[in-house]
Amino acid sequence: KQEVTQIPAALSVPEGENLVLNCSFTDSAIYNLQWFRQDPGKGLTSLLLIQSSQREQTSGRLNASLDKSSGRSTLYIAASQPGDSATYLCACPGGGADGLTFGKGTHLIIQP
Amino acid sequence: DGGITQSPKYLFRKEGQNVTLSCEQNLNHDAMYWYRQDPGQGLRLIYYSQIVNDFQKGDIAEGYSVSREKKESFPLTVTSAQKNPTAFYLCASTPGGSSYEQYFGPGTRLTVT
Repeated sequence: KQEVTQIPAALSVPEGENLVLNCSFTDSAIYNLQWFRQDPGKGLTSLLLIQSSQREQTSGRLNASLDKSSGRSTLYIAASQPGDSATYLCACPGGGADGLTFGKGTHLIIQP
Repeated sequence: DGGITQSPKYLFRKEGQNVTLSCEQNLNHDAMYWYRQDPGQGLRLIYYSQIVNDFQKGDIAEGYSVSREKKESFPLTVTSAQKNPTAFYLCASTPGGSSYEQYFGPGTRLTVT
């Protein structure tokens, strides 16, 4: 069964810093991995989808990488802003049923 | 604008009552999903449907039921058999299965007392 772990569980940094969020998964036979953002009390917003054939994807200040062989993905946020404060979730298919297996998320606070 | 709508945003029920959560999408997606989110936990899959008139149990289907009579609609019923129904419920869809990008609705917060 697929298991997804996110480290750290929480992170607080000053505005302007570059930062890295980590995600690991146990079953490397995935065909994609998706990063989401969740604001308090809201649904999930898709940030980046990396297909298994890709090593990274970029969207604005966000860059996500995928290393299937080591079972790891990272989300790099450049020049962080207070508006980046949210919970970031990674998820990938696995576990038999169709649908995503999620990590518990990284709660990010960017201090002005 | 295309998207997923869930209603209501907040729902309150007494213990022992069944309650139905609505999920509608106008993205023309074939696959739809229901997840549950509890504080400090990752999202967990309840049910999914890859095509009209067909659905499958996810990891935590006990105490829940679904129907998929129309492509755009995938309602979730939380029955009185669900031991701990208070949670945040999220609906999602993809064009066809988890090999595609998954899109989420705004969620329904259910409180059962």
